[in-house]
Amino acid sequence: EAQVTQNPRYLITVTGKKLTVTCSQNMNHEYMSWYRQDPGLGLRQIYYSMNVEVTDKGDVPEGYKVSRKEKRNFPLILESPSPNQTSLYFCASSGAKNTEAFFGQGTRLTVV
Amino acid sequence: QKEVEQDPGPLSVPEGAIVSLNCTYSNSAFQYFMWYRQYSRKGPELLMYTYSSGNKEDGRFTAQVDKSSKYISLFIRDSQPSDSATYLCAMNYGGSQGNLIFGKGTKLSVKP
Repeated sequence: EAQVTQNPRYLITVTGKKLTVTCSQNMNHEYMSWYRQDPGLGLRQIYYSMNVEVTDKGDVPEGYKVSRKEKRNFPLILESPSPNQTSLYFCASSGAKNTEAFFGQGTRLTVV
Repeated sequence: QKEVEQDPGPLSVPEGAIVSLNCTYSNSAFQYFMWYRQYSRKGPELLMYTYSSGNKEDGRFTAQVDKSSKYISLFIRDSQPSDSATYLCAMNYGGSQGNLIFGKGTKLSVKP
């Protein structure tokens, strides 16, 4: 089954404690992205990757890091989380034209 | 002016009604236009995508793109309670500039 898998689904952490949200896709897609979704602000892109070892900033990259060492994996790293990073996060993958993005189930992160 | 504007609703209709959801955009370079559906606590899923102008039909759903007016629409015929969700429009330039730009979403409720 084609899917994008994110882990964990729910996470509560404290300010400053480094965390990683994993994302994996099994569709051999080139393009992967991370988004955050906040009430009233919609989906905002954090980082994206057009292929292995190629990453670039989206609209709201501050406070986040990513890496793309393998085609299937695209982890999101928060080196020092802050409460304003409390949000619902989605990973997505798509083929080269990025017209059919597949989304993961989401990770609800709370930073206290 | 934001790149993509979408009325957030909420929109409430009786079962069986025809629903019209719309987005406007400012950048004439967009080539691909998409509609995603997002159920509560789930990731967005692609409903339809259209390249350039014209109509596309899939069952009860019809997507329209009017590039001259920079306006896209999604029509839902014979709406069902199971159509209750948030609908997000999205668009991109295609090719190597593949970032998806999302509207903020319209929340639809179909009452039995």
